[in-house]
Amino acid sequence: DTAVSQTPKYLVTQMGNDKSIKCEQNLGHDTMYWYKQDSKKFLKIMFSYNNKELIINETVPNRFSPKSPDKAHLNLHINSLELGDSAVYFCASSLGGQRGVETQYFGPGTRLLVL
Amino acid sequence: AQSVTQPDIHITVSEGASLELRCNYSYGATPYLFWYVQSPGQGLQLLLKYFSGDTLVQGIKGFEAEFKRSQSSFNLRKPSVHWSDAAEYFCAVPGSGNTGKLIFGQGTTLQVKP
Repeated sequence: DTAVSQTPKYLVTQMGNDKSIKCEQNLGHDTMYWYKQDSKKFLKIMFSYNNKELIINETVPNRFSPKSPDKAHLNLHINSLELGDSAVYFCASSLGGQRGVETQYFGPGTRLLVL
Repeated sequence: AQSVTQPDIHITVSEGASLELRCNYSYGATPYLFWYVQSPGQGLQLLLKYFSGDTLVQGIKGFEAEFKRSQSSFNLRKPSVHWSDAAEYFCAVPGSGNTGKLIFGQGTTLQVKP
C-alpha cells in the first residue's frame, strides 16, 4: 500500500480554471504538508495541518485553499489558475509529536501544467 | 534566519567512484539537519538526519553525513556510487518553531556515468 498518495499525478489545464489535488496518507500521522517545487527544483512549503488544524500558512496567494476533512486527508484547491502555478506539488506527512525534527514522508507529486 | 546552501548544482561521478555532496547551513542554535533524495519522477525520501551526539550519521542506501560545526557543514558521502544513485539530493533544516516547516537547499543533481 502506498503510504502517501496523491491524485491526479498529472494535471494539464487552462489559465483561469479551478482545480483540486487530493492527498491521502495511511500512516496514521497527525500532520500533513503541501510543498511546491518549481521548474528549478526549488522546494518551498505552502501549508501544513495538524489533526485538521492549520499550523503553517506561508505567503501563498489566497487562490490556494487547503482543506483537511480528516487527519488522513489534505486537499489543495486552486482557483483562477495562472501560468506561474505550473509546478510539481508534493504532499507529505509526519507523526506530529515533534514536528520540527520528524521524518516527513512524501507523496509522488502532482505535476501541474497551466496553459 | 535559518538557511541552507548547496554549492553544487550538478555533479557527475563515475559508477564505483566516491561521492561527496556539500551542504552549508545557517542556524541559530544546535542545528537539526536532514538529507533527502528525490529519484526521477518520485517524491522525496529521507536518507539521514542529525540531531545531536555522534557527528557522523549513517543513513540508508550506504550514505553517511558528517556534521562539522566549525565549518557549518553537513556533507553527504558515499564510498562507491551505483547507477541507481542518480537523483536530486536536498539538504534541509527546520524552520523556527515546532511547525514541521523544512527549509530546503537548492538541490544537487547527481549524474552517474557508467
